[in-house]
Amino acid sequence: DTAVSQTPKYLVTQMGNDKSIKCEQNLGHDTMYWYKQDSKKFLKIMFSYNNKELIINETVPNRFSPKSPDKAHLNLHINSLELGDSAVYFCASSQPGLAYNEQFFGPGTRLTVL
Amino acid sequence: GEDVEQSLFLSVREGDSSVINCTYTDSSSTYLYWYKQEPGAGLQLLTYIFSNMDMKQDQRLTVLLNKKDKHLSLRIADTQTGDSAIYFCAESDSGNTPLVFGKGTRLSVIA
Repeated sequence: DTAVSQTPKYLVTQMGNDKSIKCEQNLGHDTMYWYKQDSKKFLKIMFSYNNKELIINETVPNRFSPKSPDKAHLNLHINSLELGDSAVYFCASSQPGLAYNEQFFGPGTRLTVL
Repeated sequence: GEDVEQSLFLSVREGDSSVINCTYTDSSSTYLYWYKQEPGAGLQLLTYIFSNMDMKQDQRLTVLLNKKDKHLSLRIADTQTGDSAIYFCAESDSGNTPLVFGKGTRLSVIA
């Protein structure tokens, strides 16, 4: 059973379009995250949700809107896609209070904006 | 804000030891981690260390932490070609805060 899954794995789209990436975790964790990995492999946090509530938004443009319908899901909607949005987006989850705060990562969604 | 620094590249011969270094700035870091990313794949937690520890050994992996200098290292003994990957150092200071990652060290193992 996959712990953290993301769909789609690859997404190729035109500039200006709107797209969504979905994430689901079956670990029962309370906290979920979106990270962005750029073409140089640099990884940075975008958003963090705890029990469906947004707790961290790291100066991400308003075109990015996360939504957490329940604590097992954290989706990312992106409006008016730009070339610079091309990256790999990783979802992760963790459970505060558990040993060493391990974050479990999804396989990533490679977004290419043409 | 917090910052985590790593050298970007390391090349070693198969069978040698690899040492990947990392420095961080956040003195409130509680947990320090090493993640591995193979080409086209996600991130896999390799090992971690609490900030009150100096060393942790796990099979071929040895983590050393110098808290005074805020320096973390990962030593891989008997490096194999399958160890070729990008290794990320990361830190967090509490149970549900996001990880702050270094830029990753690309390890190339030459047969």
